[in-house]
Amino acid sequence: AQKVTQAQTEISVVEKEDVTLDCVYETRDTTYYLFWYKQPPSGELVFLIRRNSFDEQNEISGRYSWNFQKSTSSFNFTITASQVVDSAVYFCALYSSGSARQLTFGSGTQLTVLP
Amino acid sequence: GAVVSQHPSRVICKSGTSVKIECRSLDFQATTMFWYRQFPKQSLMLMATSNEGSKATYEQGVEKDKFLINHASLTLSTLTVTSAHPEDSSFYICSQGPGQGETQYFGPGTRLLVL
Repeated sequence: AQKVTQAQTEISVVEKEDVTLDCVYETRDTTYYLFWYKQPPSGELVFLIRRNSFDEQNEISGRYSWNFQKSTSSFNFTITASQVVDSAVYFCALYSSGSARQLTFGSGTQLTVLP
Repeated sequence: GAVVSQHPSRVICKSGTSVKIECRSLDFQATTMFWYRQFPKQSLMLMATSNEGSKATYEQGVEKDKFLINHASLTLSTLTVTSAHPEDSSFYICSQGPGQGETQYFGPGTRLLVL
């Protein structure tokens, strides 16, 4: 079975603060993909990043960065200098190429950035 | 990423009526599309996998006679909620994929309210 845990239900920060959203995953497969999606109040899920299990390089895209560590089964997401427009629910998700073959979502983290 | 549209974006109906939701892949021929349901402040739950030209695969606990899925072409999948009841009120969102690296791209979602 595969599982994604986002322990932080809600986070509030003040604009310009850095914030890290945690994601811990479980899978028995050696080949898998990890994702982060953003869901603003409008409801649409916006794809942010994909990482495969063989690529542990961290990635930076503007104010966003991701830290993938297989040793701790974590795929954390950091927003630097947060902005009000970053306010949304963020979902971490896992796809395993083994028996599950479906996208498993974490419970999501509601991020509120206050002006 | 891929572009997925959904129609309608919002629908209100009376209990006992049927509602059809369309999911279109605008720039990619999708042999597989996915239907999810999301209740307020909860994560996405996979309902079914829609396969072009064949029967959909439903997740455990999802009534296939209540949630009819048709995937007649490579760009269109439809979900029909038959004899809708208030407990069917939810946010229904479809996705196209999996694409490169098993990535799924999501439509904007449909908010269903059954009175």
